[in-house]
Amino acid sequence: DAEITQSPRHKITETGRQVTLACHQTWNHNNMFWYRQDLGHGLRLIHYSYGVQDTNKGEVSDGYSVSRSNTEDLPLTLESAASSQTSVYFCASSSGTGVTDTQYFGPGTRLTVL
Amino acid sequence: AQSVTQLGSHVSVSEGALVLLRCNYSSSVPPYLFWYVQYPNQGLQLLLKYTSAATLVKGINGFEAEFKKSETSFHLTKPSAHMSDAAEYFCAVSAGGSYIPTFGRGTSLIVHP
Repeated sequence: DAEITQSPRHKITETGRQVTLACHQTWNHNNMFWYRQDLGHGLRLIHYSYGVQDTNKGEVSDGYSVSRSNTEDLPLTLESAASSQTSVYFCASSSGTGVTDTQYFGPGTRLTVL
Repeated sequence: AQSVTQLGSHVSVSEGALVLLRCNYSSSVPPYLFWYVQYPNQGLQLLLKYTSAATLVKGINGFEAEFKKSETSFHLTKPSAHMSDAAEYFCAVSAGGSYIPTFGRGTSLIVHP
């Protein structure tokens, strides 16, 4: 069965360190997304991609970067981790066929920045 | 621009009681609407979606939602709550050709025995 996976599931890091969160999907979807989930804020979009070599900023992109070198993967990098980036991060994908696309979510990565 | 408002960050019901989770949207063009559910320590999964084919949409696990244009609403209901329904529920809207849905802040459903 097709799926979307994230690794690691839990990560503790220190302020100032570079961190990369992995996202891998086997749906062969064109669109991929990164969200962060914080209490009281719901889901906020960090970055998204509509295909290989395409990346775009979301509403909370400062301090984060992504790259898309193939269809399956969209790693999220925190260049210099800050305590404000402690959150649960979700990767999602959708087929890209239309505006009624269903988003398929990974299980999430809980990141703690000390 | 599109937006979604979910009324009530927490809703508490007894097992067997009616579940009603409220969602109102704002969109200048015809919207497409979604309900997602998030069980503890999991990602979101689609419950149902409105794609303009029918105003009453049935989803998984006995949930349904009705699109009411005059009220700009897309409330989620289930006739009889089950303990396994306890989760976070998110309403989302997509409109104007955007592939990116806008999510509400979520409503936590608590089910009492």
